[in-house]
Amino acid sequence: QSALTQPPSASGSPGQSVTISCTGTSSDVGGYNYVSWYQQHPGKAPKVMIYEVSKRPSGVPDRFSGSKSGNTASLTVSGLQAEDEADYYCSSYAGSNNLLVFGTGTKVTVL
Amino acid sequence: QITLKESGPTLVKPTQTLTLTCTFSGFSLTTSGVGVGWIRQPPGKALEWLAVIYWNDDKRYRPSLKSRLTITKDSSKDQVVLTMTNMDPVDTATYYCAHRTTARRIFDDWGQGTLVTVSS
Repeated sequence: QSALTQPPSASGSPGQSVTISCTGTSSDVGGYNYVSWYQQHPGKAPKVMIYEVSKRPSGVPDRFSGSKSGNTASLTVSGLQAEDEADYYCSSYAGSNNLLVFGTGTKVTVL
Repeated sequence: QITLKESGPTLVKPTQTLTLTCTFSGFSLTTSGVGVGWIRQPPGKALEWLAVIYWNDDKRYRPSLKSRLTITKDSSKDQVVLTMTNMDPVDTATYYCAHRTTARRIFDDWGQGTLVTVSS
């Protein structure tokens, strides 16, 4: 069960957009529409920002959006704000036995 | 409001067995579709799911750790317990428990996490 591949880092100035990729296989990202994204600030527990590829839980700003194409999912943060600086992890359902897999994580820096 | 809190030892010796308890409120593990999972995060590293238990006692384990893990629930106490045998320094991590549903297949509420260090 290999982790999903994310770029180690991404950055943008306030107000700009940043997009993070998450690459898996046909057994996880490509096989199911159950990709989610978690935001984690230092020393804090992760918080779900996107689920089922593109849905936002209540309370998550619409600046956060998700999409998927084939075996690669993406998270876009538009109108970057200082509080968006955090680590972001993707996750995908991977079937009834493997259940799920997390990504390698991406540190987003707001310049 | 859903809350979860992990408890257990902060330090274990190599080869010992780790037992962690997740005490939760705001939901019931007797409700159809509800589950509780354990996820860990070594210092500076990525998240790694370990195990999940559902309302119907269905259990799922990370395949690579399945032989070392046991997850159980006590619905009357609103608790889930994770045991991990034969601990090794590489198991040093913050261990989180989290609420999950079969409908959305996400961990939508998390505990604060507990740091477990494995050292002699």
